[in-house]
Amino acid sequence: GAGVSQSPRYKVTKRGQDVALRCDPISGHVSLYWYRQALGQGPEFLTYFNYEAQQDKSGLPNDRFSAERPEGSISTLTIQRTEQRDSAMYRCASSLESSGIYEQYFGPGTRLTVT
Amino acid sequence: AQSVTQLDSQVPVFEEAPVELRCNYSSSVSVYLFWYVQYPNQGLQLLLKYLSGSTLVKGINGFEAEFNKSQTSFHLRKPSVHISDTAEYFCAPYSSASKIIFGSGTRLSIRP
Repeated sequence: GAGVSQSPRYKVTKRGQDVALRCDPISGHVSLYWYRQALGQGPEFLTYFNYEAQQDKSGLPNDRFSAERPEGSISTLTIQRTEQRDSAMYRCASSLESSGIYEQYFGPGTRLTVT
Repeated sequence: AQSVTQLDSQVPVFEEAPVELRCNYSSSVSVYLFWYVQYPNQGLQLLLKYLSGSTLVKGINGFEAEFNKSQTSFHLRKPSVHISDTAEYFCAPYSSASKIIFGSGTRLSIRP
C-alpha cells in the first residue's frame, strides 16, 4: 500500500510569503505528527492530531505556525510571513494510534528554503 | 531538560568491524524506546523498538539494542557492518505526553 506522502518535496519562497505544506497519511492511521528537522539535528516535534483533533501543539515555535486536519486524513502545516530561520526539512508521520506502541511511518519530507 | 543524549555525533568504522552507537535517556520519559535510521536522501524508518519484555531487542539489517534500566541506556549494536549501513541513526524515547523525542543523531560512516 501507499506510504505517507508529502507535497511539495521542495519549496523555495521569499521572506514574508505564506507557505502551506501538505501531508497525506497512510489510510486508516488515526494519528498524524509534524516535525521540523534542521541540518545535522534530529526531528523536532511540532504538533500532532488524533483524527481531526489537534492534541498537542506545544512544539509550534510561534503563532505564525498552524496546522489542521479537518477531515481526519490529509493535514496542512501553514507558515505565515516566513522568515529565513524557518528554512528546514518538515516531516510528517502517521501511526495507527498515539499510545507509543505503534510505529510512526515517515514521509519523505518537504525541504523549505526561505530566501 | 534534554530527554535523550546520543553521545557520538559521528562514528567512523571499517567494513565488517563491530559498532556500538550510544544512547542515554532521562528517566522522565516513558520506557518505550526506538531507534530510527535515515539513509542518505531518504525518510526515516524504524530500525527496532523496545516496549517490554526481553531487554535485548533485535531489529532489521542485523542490528540489536539492549535496554538497561539502571543505566538509562539503549545502545545500538551490530557485530559486523556493511557499506550499506552508512546512514544517520536516531535514538528516540517515547514521551509520556504521547510524542517521540528524537536525539540529535549519530552519523555512521563505513570505511572499506
